[in-house]
Amino acid sequence: KAGVTQTPRYLIKTRGQQVTLSCSPISGHRSVSWYQQTPGQGLQFLFEYFSETQRNKGNFPGRFSGRQFSNSRSEMNVSTLELGDSALYLCASSYRDITEAFFGQGTRLTVV
Amino acid sequence: KQEVTQIPAALSVPEGENLVLNCSFTDSAIYNLQWFRQDPGKGLTSLLLIQSSQREQTSGRLNASLDKSSGRSTLYIAASQPGDSATYLCAVRPLPGANSKLTFGKGITLSVRP
Repeated sequence: KAGVTQTPRYLIKTRGQQVTLSCSPISGHRSVSWYQQTPGQGLQFLFEYFSETQRNKGNFPGRFSGRQFSNSRSEMNVSTLELGDSALYLCASSYRDITEAFFGQGTRLTVV
Repeated sequence: KQEVTQIPAALSVPEGENLVLNCSFTDSAIYNLQWFRQDPGKGLTSLLLIQSSQREQTSGRLNASLDKSSGRSTLYIAASQPGDSATYLCAVRPLPGANSKLTFGKGITLSVRP
């Protein structure tokens, strides 16, 4: 079966712009989580959605937001980009919030 | 607050060696633990999932163990190959409740020399 699909794979944006990243989970999975990965901080939790509801949120500023659609696809948005937002953004899909997590290939965001 | 530690940060071994990667966590109230592999610039590939009630799981040349009471897990790789070179991360999931996020270690970067 198809895995987790993240688009786009690479993005280059300018400071102050906004960006939207997309994640399509494995068919039948209703839980989608987002993580930010940087060399210094490792993997940090952004938020988790289950059946279109945000259930958990990490310690990130309000510039980071997300949503989940009725087909379980999820988007995350970052507004007013800063240089420090440059990172690999990873999406994880699971059947429920406590079951095995499967990750996508990530979106590499570079802010210049 | 859960903290996950993986030491050392990097490891280099000759091909064919059996090796053990360690993972420790501070809060034993976990639901499961998952080991992942990450190749440079890529996403995470799930290797093994161990439920808190289990002691070990095996997949091919990989064997993961869990000692919840001592807050430790190990990933055993038998007969290592150059293709095993990657970063290996462990992550713990808390008990069902308000926050179900995975907490990750920083990973161990493994290099298997031909």
